Amino acid sequence: EVQLLESGGGLVQPGGSLRLSCAASGFTFSSCAMSWVRQAPGKGLEWVSVISGSGDSTHYADFVRGRFTISRDNSKNTLFLQMNSLRAEDTAVYFCAKGPMKVVIMGYYYMDVWGKGTTVTVSS
Amino acid sequence: QSMLTQPPSVSGAPGQRVTISCTGSSSNIGAGFDVHWYQQLPGTAPKLLIYGNDNRPSGVPDRFSGSKSGTSASLAITGLQADDEADYYCQSYDSSLSGWVFGGGTKVTVL
Repeated sequence: EVQLLESGGGLVQPGGSLRLSCAASGFTFSSCAMSWVRQAPGKGLEWVSVISGSGDSTHYADFVRGRFTISRDNSKNTLFLQMNSLRAEDTAVYFCAKGPMKVVIMGYYYMDVWGKGTTVTVSS
Repeated sequence: QSMLTQPPSVSGAPGQRVTISCTGSSSNIGAGFDVHWYQQLPGTAPKLLIYGNDNRPSGVPDRFSGSKSGTSASLAITGLQADDEADYYCQSYDSSLSGWVFGGGTKVTVL
C-alpha cells in the first residue's frame, strides 16, 4: 500500500524556519516526482513546490520562491521542505503528494496519492 | 482569486445528477493543459478523482466523470449519494504563472 507520512510541523514565530519531512513507502520512491500542497484554515488547496524523481528539477510557486527549498533523499525514501522567513500567511496544513511518473511534464502533472498533512502555524 | 473558477457550492437530492464547472483561460485549460479533479471529504486529505480530463483511477466509481471543452472543464456526479458530500477541486497548469493551480473548490451538499 502506498503511504505518505508528513512530519515536522509546529508553531513558529514570524521570520523563523521549519523543515518538513514526508516518509514514503509502498512504491519506488525515486521513480516518482513529489509535491507539496498547502491548505490554509478554511481555505482551498494551493500548490507550493514540485521535485522530479531524480531531484534535478524543481519548481516553486511565486509566493514561496526564494524562501522555501524542496529536496529529497532517495536512499531514505524521504521528501523535505525547508521553510525559511516564515510569514503568518504561511499558516496551513502542508500535504505531500506523489506524482504519477519520474519526470514533471508541465501540462500533464497531477498528484495521485496524498499524505494526511502536517500543520504549520506561524504566529508570535 | 484563483486562475480556475468553480462555483462555491452545488447541491442535489440523493440519486440526482450534479455538475461542477471549472472555468479557466487561454493560459491554462484553453492552452490544452490537462484538468484533474480531487475530492476532499471533511477533515481528510484530498483524493484523486479524475486525471487527464476524463480518466478515473482504479477504485473510483463510474458515477464520477470528467470532461473538457475550450477553456472549461466539468465534473459530473450521477446517482448522488450521502457520502459524496465533500469539497471538490479542479487542477491544471498555468503558463502565465509557470506553476500548477487549483480551483477555489466546490462544496457538494446532498439534500
